[in-house]
Amino acid sequence: NAGVTQTPKFRVLKTGQSMTLLCAQDMNHEYMYWYRQDPGMGLRLIHYSVGEGTTAKGEVPDGYNVSRLKKQNFLLGLESAAPSQTSVYFCASSPVPENTEAFFGQGTRLTVV
Amino acid sequence: RKEVEQDPGPFNVPEGATVAFNCTYSNSASQSFFWYRQDCRKEPKLLMSVYSSGNEDGRFTAQLNRASQYISLLIRDSKLSDSATYLCVVSETGGSYIPTFGRGTSLIVHP
Repeated sequence: NAGVTQTPKFRVLKTGQSMTLLCAQDMNHEYMYWYRQDPGMGLRLIHYSVGEGTTAKGEVPDGYNVSRLKKQNFLLGLESAAPSQTSVYFCASSPVPENTEAFFGQGTRLTVV
Repeated sequence: RKEVEQDPGPFNVPEGATVAFNCTYSNSASQSFFWYRQDCRKEPKLLMSVYSSGNEDGRFTAQLNRASQYISLLIRDSKLSDSATYLCVVSETGGSYIPTFGRGTSLIVHP
């Protein structure tokens, strides 16, 4: 069972470079999320999507863009990476999430130097 | 101010101890409540949902107090394998049910 798959798992970027993180889920979930996790800060929501073709801003959206062209994929883009974006990024998905579990990918460890 | 507050710990307890974690949330419209577990350098995974009547799963008991906007998790007979970070998660109603995470409480169970 694949569940939620994130690629890549690790990446080192130079300041100013761009990259895209891919999240793919095979559970036909409507909702998908991107979080970042930093020491002492917990999981903070960057962007989310409530269905194919929709996206919305979360708590910390600045410096990131997202797209949900296909239901199973949720892409997170960094147009011009900054050291402050060094973090662990988690993607998650859920059905209509009331009283339901969110399933997480294994995370992407990103370092911006 | 974080919408979901937890004591970060760490809670350092011996095997066999009983330990309780608390979590408060600020949005009275919140409708769904969960505890997740996160092992070091791993993704969070659902431990249990929290229902209004309270619920139990083996050594784990979760309670919800809507009036005080408070959630608790009780772990009895702690095992070494319970060492992890426990995340309180709240989703609000009235639109998009977006899970909001607390910062987590670290538990270390020692021999």
